[in-house]
Amino acid sequence: AQSVTQPDIHITVSEGASLELRCNYSYGATPYLFWYVQSPGQGLQLLLKYFSGDTLVQGIKGFEAEFKRSQSSFNLRKPSVHWSDAAEYFCAVSVYGGSQGNLIFGKGTKLSVKP
Amino acid sequence: DAGITQSPRYKITETGRQVTLMCHQTWSHSYMFWYRQDLGHGLRLIYYSAAADITDKGEVPDGYVVSRSKTENFPLTLESATRSQTSVYFCASSKPLATNEQFFGPGTRLTVL
Repeated sequence: AQSVTQPDIHITVSEGASLELRCNYSYGATPYLFWYVQSPGQGLQLLLKYFSGDTLVQGIKGFEAEFKRSQSSFNLRKPSVHWSDAAEYFCAVSVYGGSQGNLIFGKGTKLSVKP
Repeated sequence: DAGITQSPRYKITETGRQVTLMCHQTWSHSYMFWYRQDLGHGLRLIYYSAAADITDKGEVPDGYVVSRSKTENFPLTLESATRSQTSVYFCASSKPLATNEQFFGPGTRLTVL
């Protein structure tokens, strides 16, 4: 069965520091990969997605992610974190050819930003 | 305004009562979804719908009922609420391709006493 693992439950970084959030997936073929962000009390918003082509994808708010097939990873990065980036981040996978219901989420990584 | 809305935003109910959570979207997206979000579990799919009158179970459907008589509405009913159904519920919608993002509503926080 497909699965998504986000190894870090909670990460704290200083404002201005770089950020990398880890995501590993389990699936035999190439999946469609997403990163969503959830601010406190809000719904989820798409940051970026990958389904083919260049393995480095750019998203909103200065985020990028790199798909590495050999490592089954899709890590999210940002070169300089802002206090407004404090939120919870979810990695998700969708299966090519599968039903739309097959969007599997990781359990999330909560990001705190120190001033 | 265009978008996806959920009502109510907060609900407190008692064990055994029937509760209906509403979801409305203005994009005419064919797919709609219900998720629950719990600490330590992330988001789990309850039910989804590919079109009006077409629904299917997700990962955790027990205790829930859905219907979709109109494209824009996708209500979720807890027929006899239990404490284990205390959660935050999110509705989402999307176009019918797996590459398309899902757009999420603001959520309904449900407490079952």
